[in-house]
Amino acid sequence: KQEVTQIPAALSVPEGENLVLNCSFTDSAIYNLQWFRQDPGKGLTSLLLIQSSQREQTSGRLNASLDKSSGRSTLYIAASQPGDSATYLCAVPKSNFGNEKLTFGTGTRLTIIP
Amino acid sequence: SQTIHQWPATLVQPVGSPLSLECTVEGTSNPNLYWYRQAAGRGLQLLFYSVGIGQISSEVPQNLSASRPQDRQFILSSKKLLLSDSGFYLCAWSQRRADTQYFGPGTRLTVL
Repeated sequence: KQEVTQIPAALSVPEGENLVLNCSFTDSAIYNLQWFRQDPGKGLTSLLLIQSSQREQTSGRLNASLDKSSGRSTLYIAASQPGDSATYLCAVPKSNFGNEKLTFGTGTRLTIIP
Repeated sequence: SQTIHQWPATLVQPVGSPLSLECTVEGTSNPNLYWYRQAAGRGLQLLFYSVGIGQISSEVPQNLSASRPQDRQFILSSKKLLLSDSGFYLCAWSQRRADTQYFGPGTRLTVL
């Protein structure tokens, strides 16, 4: 059974700092890994998706890395801004046949202090 | 562009009452559709997913059910709500066999 863990559960950093969010998964035979953002009381917004054959994916100030062999992914946020404050979730598919079933981590609640 | 709608946005219901939450998607055809629940202090849990009209797969046994009467419409129902059904319900869609899931704005359900 795939289990996804995100540590820490909460993180506060001053504005302008670079930061790293962590995601660990127990079954390394994953199809891909996705990072989402969730603002309080809102739905999820897809940020980045890394295919199993990739090691990194970048979008603006965000960079996600994937190390399948060690069961880890990181989300790097450069030059953090107050608008980055949100809960960040990672998710992996339950099978290698598509994305119908995602297993989500419990998230890291990020607060950027102005 | 594609958009996904959910309603109602918030709902307060007494224990034992019925439930109907609706999700519709615009701007795409034959999407995969999903219902998730996010309970306080817990992660996002997949409840149901559908790959086509009338095709529903259930992930967890519970007193909830789902239906897909039209290609871009997904409905979550219950005949009798329990206190444990309280939570934030999210609908999502994806293209068949594609990778990214797109989420709706969610419905906050409180069962009293």
